[in-house]
Amino acid sequence: AQTVTQSQPEMSVQEAETVTLSCTYDTSESDYYLFWYKQPPSRQMILVIRQEAYKQQNATENRFSVNFQKAAKSFSLKISDSQLGDAAMYFCAYSYSGTYKYIFGTGTRLKVLA
Amino acid sequence: NAGVTQTPKFRVLKTGQSMTLLCAQDMNHEYMYWYRQDPGMGLRLIHYSVGEGTTAKGEVPDGYNVSRLKKQNFLLGLESAAPSQTSVYFCASFSGTNYGYTFGSGTRLTVV
Repeated sequence: AQTVTQSQPEMSVQEAETVTLSCTYDTSESDYYLFWYKQPPSRQMILVIRQEAYKQQNATENRFSVNFQKAAKSFSLKISDSQLGDAAMYFCAYSYSGTYKYIFGTGTRLKVLA
Repeated sequence: NAGVTQTPKFRVLKTGQSMTLLCAQDMNHEYMYWYRQDPGMGLRLIHYSVGEGTTAKGEVPDGYNVSRLKKQNFLLGLESAAPSQTSVYFCASFSGTNYGYTFGSGTRLTVV
């Protein structure tokens, strides 16, 4: 069975600094997708970034980038130039073709310190 | 606005009462999902549907039923609510071609 593990329940970062959130997963599939979602206090789930497993190049979206290590089954999120608005719960998620069910990690709460 | 609409947004139930959560999407998506979010446990899949008229069990289906009679609607029912069903419920839909769910805004359900 597929699993997703986020081992950091909470992280803190100074404003304008860089922080990396960790995520590992386990799967026997070769074709799958990985996501990072942000959940601010409003509760809305916001897609931050996604990565297709067949792509070797790491995805980047403005200040957000990932370090995708397929052999190690690792998918970390790097936030550069952290802003107060980045404070939220971040979820790592895995999905695969067919039913496209998501499997979520337990989340990492990010605090941004002014 | 196109998207996923969940109703209601908040609800308090007494133990043993029943209710239905409605999820409606106007994007013609084939796939729809119901998740529950609990502190420290992330989001867990309750039931899902891969098309009109189909439903399937997810990770935590006990105590819930679903129906997808129309493509745009996915209903989640609680026949006899229990305090363990106190949670935030999210509905999501997916086209199958552009990877990334569209989530509803969630329903906070409290069972007392």
